[in-house]
Formats: sequence, structure tokens, C-alpha cells
Amino acid sequence: SDELTQPPSVSVSPGQTARITCSGDALPKKYAYWYQQKSGQAPVLVIYEDNKRPSGIPERFSGSSSGTLATLTISGAQVEDEADYYCYSTDSSGKVFGGGTKLTVL
Amino acid sequence: QVQLVQSGSELKKPGASVKVSCKASGYTFTSYTMNWVRQAPGQGLEWLGWINTNTGNPTYAQGFTGRFVFSLDTSVSTAYLQISSLKAEDTAVYYCAREGISATGTVYWGQGTLVTVSS
Repeated sequence: SDELTQPPSVSVSPGQTARITCSGDALPKKYAYWYQQKSGQAPVLVIYEDNKRPSGIPERFSGSSSGTLATLTISGAQVEDEADYYCYSTDSSGKVFGGGTKLTVL
Repeated sequence: QVQLVQSGSELKKPGASVKVSCKASGYTFTSYTMNWVRQAPGQGLEWLGWINTNTGNPTYAQGFTGRFVFSLDTSVSTAYLQISSLKAEDTAVYYCAREGISATGTVYWGQGTLVTVSS
């Protein structure tokens, strides 16, 4: 199956822009989705179909995708955005998650 | 409102079997495929596969064939994940998640079921 590759960790100070990347050969043909998971909680969808934001997700969350790279951008990251982030897409076999990126905001 | 309610935590010995349930409500159960996802302690999310709730046809991700079986009871709008010959490395939180996204971008996941395999 295809793989999605994410950096293990990203660290920013509050108010800075956090960018989390997701690389995969299927991304030029498939949508990217982004989940946020805080400790002990179920994942929450923050971006779908590359760049759409679900109702209730703050505007500081945005997504983009170009070629084999999808990017989740958090503009003006807040302390409460500290979490694990997973990209997600479809591949030839079904679905696949990236390995996850731990975002630290401090 | 749409809800997916999973069965409670399980503690099993190696070699045993476990069956996790996911009861759906608030929508037509057979209209949406059901995914299964797991997360081992301290690890990432892993897609196990999905089951077509209309036909009952399952699809398993690589590495999850044989011991993992998806099934349905459409009369009670419930999907099941059965894992046989349990190993310590099967210790994880198992989630069901409805396929598809609503017009507002909502997705629906169960609350997760912790399966612990330990002697």
C-alpha cells in the first residue's frame, strides 16, 4: 500500500505559524484529510478534501496540497492546539494514515 | 443525532479471542461503510479496513487478514470486529468510524474500545 510520511515533531511558540507536511505518491490523485488528536481523546477532523474546514474548526486551521505534498497550516498557533496530527488519504488498497506529527506549542 | 457507541474495555489472555461491537444510531446503518481503526499505546492511528454495511463485504488492510474479522448485524445496526489468537501486540484502542463526511464536514467515530492482551 502507499505510504504517507510526516515529520515526527514540529515545535512553535504561541502565535507563530505551524506547518505540518504529509508526503505521499497518491496525493496528486487523492484528497488529504487531517485529524487532530489530543491525549486520551478520539481524533477530530480539522481539514478534509485538502483544504475544507469542518464546521466548528477555528479559521486558523487551513490545508493545501500540491503534487505529492499536503500541508496543514495553523496560523497563530495556540497552546490548545498542542496535539498529535495525522494526515489520512486513500490508496490502492483502501485508506492510509501518516505516522503522525506531535505539535508542541510553547 | 448520529452516534456510534462501542462496547467496553476488554482484558484478554494471549491466544484468546475478543469481539468489539459498534452500535450505530441516528442514520440508516446500511447507507454508510464502516471503518475500523486501531491505536496501540503511544503509537499512531492504523486503518484496519472496512465493511460495506449494505453487502457485508469486508476489505482488510495489509497485515490484518486472517485473525481480524469484520461482521454485521443489520437488524440491530451493529458492526463487529473480532480478533482471534490475540497477541500482546494487539493491545490497543480500537475505533469504528463511519465512512463519509457530512455537508458540514462532520465525521463520526465511536468512543474507542481498549483491548488489553496480557497473561
